[in-house]
Amino acid sequence: AQTVTQSQPEMSVQEAETVTLSCTYDTSENNYYLFWYKQPPSRQMILVIRQEAYKQQNATENRFSVNFQKAAKSFSLKISDSQLGDTAMYFCAFMPPGAAGNKLTFGGGTRVLVKP
Amino acid sequence: GAVVSQHPSWVICKSGTSVKIECRSLDFQATTMFWYRQFPKQSLMLMATSNEGSKATYEQGVEKDKFLINHASLTLSTLTVTSAHPEDSSFYICSGGGYTFGSGTRLTVV
Repeated sequence: AQTVTQSQPEMSVQEAETVTLSCTYDTSENNYYLFWYKQPPSRQMILVIRQEAYKQQNATENRFSVNFQKAAKSFSLKISDSQLGDTAMYFCAFMPPGAAGNKLTFGGGTRVLVKP
Repeated sequence: GAVVSQHPSWVICKSGTSVKIECRSLDFQATTMFWYRQFPKQSLMLMATSNEGSKATYEQGVEKDKFLINHASLTLSTLTVTSAHPEDSSFYICSGGGYTFGSGTRLTVV
């Protein structure tokens, strides 16, 4: 079974600065997908970024980027130029390949607080 | 992109009653949908996999008779919490289309 670990329960950052959230996972699969989700107080799960394991290039989406280290099984999220609206819970998630591959395993989450 | 609609957004029910939560795929056909549960300040835990036209697959520890799942069409999956108890109070959220989530349902049992 896959496991996903987020070692930082809570992080704070000043507006306009950068924060990096860590995520490690354990799997015996070679091909899989990794995700970062944002969950604001509304509790809607918002997809921030997605990475396919077979792609070496790190995914980026505007101010969000990842550092994917497959050998180390590490998948960190960097939020640049932090904005007040980035305040939320962030979850790292793992999805295996295959027909049943839509099942997500989540890390415990990191609460991010952006301070003005 | 894939859109998943979930209703109701919140519901309050009395102990012993049943509550149905709907999850609809609006712009795609979902042969599989997933139901998660989230307690306050915790992560999402998979409860069950909903399969169109067949029985749902439940995760270990999830009571099948308590949480009834029906996936009768390619666009609708329902979760019914039967004989609800206060400990069933939680946030329930569905997903489909790979990694798209509904908006969730906050259930409070009084």
